[in-house]
Amino acid sequence: QTVVTQEPSFSVSPGGTVTVTCGASSGSVSTSYYPSWFQQTPGQAPRTLIYNTNTRSSGVPDRFSGSILGNKAALTITGAQADDESDYYCVLYMGGGVWVFGGGTKLTVL
Amino acid sequence: QVQLQESGPGLVKPSQTLSLTCTVSGGSISSGSYYWSWIRQPAGKGLEWIGRMYTSGSTNYNPSLKSRVTISVDTSKNQFSLKMSSVTAADTAVYYCARVTGGGYYDYWGQGTLVTVSS
Repeated sequence: QTVVTQEPSFSVSPGGTVTVTCGASSGSVSTSYYPSWFQQTPGQAPRTLIYNTNTRSSGVPDRFSGSILGNKAALTITGAQADDESDYYCVLYMGGGVWVFGGGTKLTVL
Repeated sequence: QVQLQESGPGLVKPSQTLSLTCTVSGGSISSGSYYWSWIRQPAGKGLEWIGRMYTSGSTNYNPSLKSRVTISVDTSKNQFSLKMSSVTAADTAVYYCARVTGGGYYDYWGQGTLVTVSS
């Protein structure tokens, strides 16, 4: 089964920009993988930020954006705020009705 | 506003079958083109996709869990269910249900329910 990889952790200063990536062991990630991004704080259900590569979910601030960067899906936070400190997960569609989540990225804002 | 709520036993013995239900409110489970999905998360670890059922009743499962998992729907109760057989401690996790659109938008999530596998 394809493994989906993310950076385990990242640190960003308030107001700074950070890009989290989502790669697949099967090869280059494209829009055909329908990448989505989720934010999760402790004890809470995931919240969908981005779907279908770059479409923001309702109510998500525009400082969150999604894209394909090189051979990976990417989530960029521009102008990070303290309450962006969370775990971030991507999910990719592998075909055949199967989705695979990435291992998650713990973002620290300090 | 669609809402999803998981329910089921919080404690299951090893080798037994885990059974969870997701009750959908604010919309009919049999209308529209949606995938009704299950995802789990062991404590301190990442999310794992378990499987999904389409509105038509067709199913897809995580290959690593496929032999033990069944997702079904009860349209009369507006619910869909997860059954996982032969559980072990490794199946201890928070289990989430979610609705997913055809375009891959995980638009609604349940709050999650903790299932512990222990004797």
